[in-house]
Amino acid sequence: EVQLVESGGGLVKPGGSLRLSCAASGFTFSDAWMNWVRQAPGKGLEWVGRIKAKPDGGTIDYAAPVKGRFTVSRDDSKNTLYLQMNSLKIDDTAVYYCTTEVPDNWGRFYFDLWGRGTLVTVSS
Amino acid sequence: DIQMTQSPSSLSASGGDSVTITCRASQSVSSYLNWYRQIPGKPPELLMYAASSLQRGFPSRFSGSGSGTDFTLTIDRLQPDDFGTYYCQQSYNTPYTFGQGTKLEIK
Repeated sequence: EVQLVESGGGLVKPGGSLRLSCAASGFTFSDAWMNWVRQAPGKGLEWVGRIKAKPDGGTIDYAAPVKGRFTVSRDDSKNTLYLQMNSLKIDDTAVYYCTTEVPDNWGRFYFDLWGRGTLVTVSS
Repeated sequence: DIQMTQSPSSLSASGGDSVTITCRASQSVSSYLNWYRQIPGKPPELLMYAASSLQRGFPSRFSGSGSGTDFTLTIDRLQPDDFGTYYCQQSYNTPYTFGQGTKLEIK
């Protein structure tokens, strides 16, 4: 079955750290561009970061609010995407989704497969 | 960063009606514009990509159009299952950005 399953969410104090995982199955993970998208409670969607596939350079990009605090990485041998979150702030409280980014025939990208998400709560 | 602005923020319509949601980008995104639907408690799901390409699994009652800065999503003959929040998203460049969402209620 083609799916993404996030894990690692939980309650953490401001300034703390957490590592999220996203286990992929049913497709060739090593060829996939992977993203993290978050959604604060009752709010809209916010892109967090993206890692390209290694054959495409493995480039990593971040949204400004998380740059320098969050790190996206991947382990293709384990078909797993990670999000290391340091120096967490209350505003980082959200459901974090991982998603695949795929191109159409003309290279226009979209988020195709989504996981169910994992909730991160930053609170003292 | 490219700002995405949707309107309206919410709308209520009856079964059988047609509705249109608009999405405007702060600069041209060509046709790098996608639409997602999110049902409460569920992850978003891809509805339309590249402005006008319907994702498999969705009926042809859904249609998208536009290029550059102005885009529309139209839903014809509304069904009860069409409720949810609809988001546009530009994939022209990073940071990828979403509209604030349009919450659709079916009366």
